[in-house]
Amino acid sequence: AQTVTQSQPEMSVQEAETVTLSCTYDTSESDYYLFWYKQPPSRQMILVIRQEAYKQQNATENRFSVNFQKAAKSFSLKISDSQLGDAAMYFCAYRSLTSGTYKYIFGTGTRLKVLA
Amino acid sequence: EPEVTQTPSHQVTQMGQEVILRCVPISNHLYFYWYRQILGQKVEFLVSFYNNEISEKSEIFDDQFSVERPDGSNFTLKIRSTKLEDSAMYFCASRDIGDFYEQYFGPGTRLTVT
Repeated sequence: AQTVTQSQPEMSVQEAETVTLSCTYDTSESDYYLFWYKQPPSRQMILVIRQEAYKQQNATENRFSVNFQKAAKSFSLKISDSQLGDAAMYFCAYRSLTSGTYKYIFGTGTRLKVLA
Repeated sequence: EPEVTQTPSHQVTQMGQEVILRCVPISNHLYFYWYRQILGQKVEFLVSFYNNEISEKSEIFDDQFSVERPDGSNFTLKIRSTKLEDSAMYFCASRDIGDFYEQYFGPGTRLTVT
C-alpha cells in the first residue's frame, strides 16, 4: 500500500522569502501522480501543482515549484516570494495510475504561516 | 467559479446518534468522494461513488457508513450510530469525467461526537 509522509506539522516564512515544504512517499509503482493542495482557513482545498512520475522535469506554476526526486521518493514544494495569502494548510497527495477511482492518498499536512 | 459546498460546517452529535453530512458537488461532475481527517492525522479516503453506486471503499467504510445521491445535486454521507472515534473533518470531493487529474474539494464538515 502507498503512504505519504509530511514530517513538518508547521512552518513559518517571512513575507517575500522562500520556503520549502517536504513530502516523502512510499510506493512500489513506477507510474503515478503527485499533487500539492492548499487549504486556506475555512476554505476548500485547491490544487497548487501536480507532477507526473514519468516526467523528469520538475513542475512549476508561477511562484510554486517542486523538487521531484523519484529514486528518493521525495516531492518537496518550494514557494518563492512568499505572500500573506500563501498562509494555509498544505497537503501532499499521491494518486495511483492503477486505481480506477482516482482516489488520493494524503499526508497529514503542513501548516504554513507567513510573517509580515 | 463553481465550487463544492458542504453543510453543515460543524455538526455536534451524541454517541449512538445518526448523522447525515451533505455535499453539493459541481453540477456536471460524475465522480464523488468522501475523505476524512481525524485531528492531527492523515486525510483518509473513505469511499468513491460513480453511476449511482460505490466504486471503491476503504476499510474504514464499514456497515455504519452509507452514501447516497438522493437527487441530481446532493451527495450524502450517513453514519448510522456515531462513535467517539468518528469525530473528524469530513471532506467531499467531485471530479469531472473528462478531468484526469483534479478532484475539487468542499470546505469540510467538522463532526464532533460527544
